Amino acid sequence: LAKTTQPISMDSYEGQEVNITCSHNNIATNDYITWYQQFPSQGPRFIIQGYKTKVTNEVASLFIPADRKSSTLSLPRVSLSDTAVYYCLVGDSGGSGTYKYIFGTGTRLKVLA
Amino acid sequence: DSGVTQTPKHLITATGQRVTLRCSPRSGDLSVYWYQQSLDQGLQFLIQYYNGEERAKGNILERFSAQQFPDLHSELNLSSLELGDSALYFCASSLAGGRYTDTQYFGPGTRLTVL
Repeated sequence: LAKTTQPISMDSYEGQEVNITCSHNNIATNDYITWYQQFPSQGPRFIIQGYKTKVTNEVASLFIPADRKSSTLSLPRVSLSDTAVYYCLVGDSGGSGTYKYIFGTGTRLKVLA
Repeated sequence: DSGVTQTPKHLITATGQRVTLRCSPRSGDLSVYWYQQSLDQGLQFLIQYYNGEERAKGNILERFSAQQFPDLHSELNLSSLELGDSALYFCASSLAGGRYTDTQYFGPGTRLTVL
């Protein structure tokens, strides 16, 4: 079963770039990696998704190395409103052929003024 | 607003009882997923339905069951409730059968409190 681990917490100042890494040692071969943002008592909100190399959208970039055993979410120039918990999500095909979705342990980002 | 709706928003019940959580997916989405979020277990995948059929199964207890109806809404049934079942329950939906590139969009959740 995939273990997806993330740093528990990070602090940053407004305007800085923040990089959050997720380790997923058993990701399913053809699966994409998805990152979500979650505010207290709300559902996870989609940020970005990718398969390999680099993906960029209007809010973030995602870096995935060739072995795909990890991924890094990059948030450019964070603001106070980016204070939230960030999760990666991957698929795990499992040893017995069963398929499951595995969320990372979550990284609590605190942006300071 | 993701377009996924969940009812009720809050639910308070007693141990041993049975409850039903309801989810309506985004318009056009065929898959529905259920997740449980508790403080000590994080976000745990429970089950996925695609167009009425079970597609993937996670760490769902035998006391829990789910189904997806012809109109594509889904219900999660939790029975013989225990204190440890207190958690946030999220529903998500996606366009297709999941896996690979299919993006899941999450609802606002149902907070279940078992007393």
